[in-house]
Amino acid sequence: QQQVKQSPQSLIVQKGGISIINCAYENTAFDYFPWYQQFPGKGPALLIAIRPDVSEKKEGRFTISFNKSAKQFSLHIMDSQPGDSATYFCAASKGYGGATNKLIFGTGTLLAVQP
Amino acid sequence: GAVVSQHPSRVICKSGTSVKIECRSLDFQATTMFWYRQFPKQSLMLMATSNEGSKATYEQGVEKDKFLINHASLTLSTLTVTSAHPEDSSFYICSAQTSGNYEQYFGPGTRLTVT
Repeated sequence: QQQVKQSPQSLIVQKGGISIINCAYENTAFDYFPWYQQFPGKGPALLIAIRPDVSEKKEGRFTISFNKSAKQFSLHIMDSQPGDSATYFCAASKGYGGATNKLIFGTGTLLAVQP
Repeated sequence: GAVVSQHPSRVICKSGTSVKIECRSLDFQATTMFWYRQFPKQSLMLMATSNEGSKATYEQGVEKDKFLINHASLTLSTLTVTSAHPEDSSFYICSAQTSGNYEQYFGPGTRLTVT
């Protein structure tokens, strides 16, 4: 019940296209859903995050869509660029502060944007 | 804002020796810090959670006597890998969180190689 399932494992998109990565969770107590971007040899960087009280959040070219009833959320990268090529992780957690606020990570999606 | 640093970025040590990794929050006070390890092409695996001034909470299967965590101040946490072996070679990443907030800010990671 603590798992977060992420798909696809890898994704190839043409420059200018839309990249879509999906995640699903089981634990209805999760109330924070961030997406992280990681380049090789670097730590993850927070891209965008959503709480379950909204169904969509947009920041620049990045949008999270959240479906509470289906327990799914997705990341959309509009106008994908070669510089977006990285590994993307979804995550989920419940509450904040201390050991209870563990981030449960998805398995990651390796995105390659072809010029 | 919300910058987390790690030192060293890379370390090579001989089998049987100990190595210490530092994690610092540079521009905020971190009430909670998390330590992760990441193997190549895999997701982040939480090792332990530490609150300032308290003993760390270790995840199941993580040897607390091998991976010593100290969170002595609101800006510094250390991970000491004791009696390191080649199988401890990995990418170690810390993250920091302030009280009452969901966001975790990640450090750049430390590549440990045990020969």
